[in-house]
Amino acid sequence: GNSVTQMEGPVTLSEEAFLTINCTYTATGYPSLFWYVQYPGEGLQLLLKATKADDKGSNKGFEATYRKETTSFHLEKGSVQVSDSAVYFCALSDLSSGSARQLTFGSGTQLTVLP
Amino acid sequence: ETGVTQSPTHLIKTRGQQVTLRCSSQSGHNTVSWYQQALGQGPQFIFQYYREEENGRGNFPPRFSGLQFPNYSSELNVNALELDDSALYLCASSLDSSYNSPLHFGNGTRLTVT
Repeated sequence: GNSVTQMEGPVTLSEEAFLTINCTYTATGYPSLFWYVQYPGEGLQLLLKATKADDKGSNKGFEATYRKETTSFHLEKGSVQVSDSAVYFCALSDLSSGSARQLTFGSGTQLTVLP
Repeated sequence: ETGVTQSPTHLIKTRGQQVTLRCSSQSGHNTVSWYQQALGQGPQFIFQYYREEENGRGNFPPRFSGLQFPNYSSELNVNALELDDSALYLCASSLDSSYNSPLHFGNGTRLTVT
């Protein structure tokens, strides 16, 4: 079946450091890929997405490029802020039994940014 | 625009009991999905409802059941609770069930089974 593997956490960085969180996937067909962020005590918020190979998703300084040849969708940010501290989830969109679109998530990466 | 709201926020139940969790979808959204997120894990798909019909299901036993109402709000019912059902239950709504329609998540219901 489909799966998503994320870089193990936790990750601790100083403010203004460069961030990379690795994500690779296994899927049949051509899934859409997503990054979601979860702040403490809250649900998930869509951070960015890419729907086909070589697409780059970007939002709030975060970027990720859909690489079909390496089956990867790594999240990057050039300069992190304390407010970026959260758990980040990589996910792919595929079909469940039936006709529903379901998201398959990685296990999440906890990011802590220190001032 | 009102987002996705879930109730209750926290719940404690005993093994063997039954529980009902509720979700109000975002205005204009006709599709609701439910996910289970165990501590330290990513969410896992339970099922999806589109226009009051279940149209997809993940790897969860039949004691997990759901309902969607004409106003597109939804319920998740779990019978015969087990300790492993302790988790954060997330509801997500989307404009429709199409492949790229973004999911909007609620803040979840934290269920503890003792």
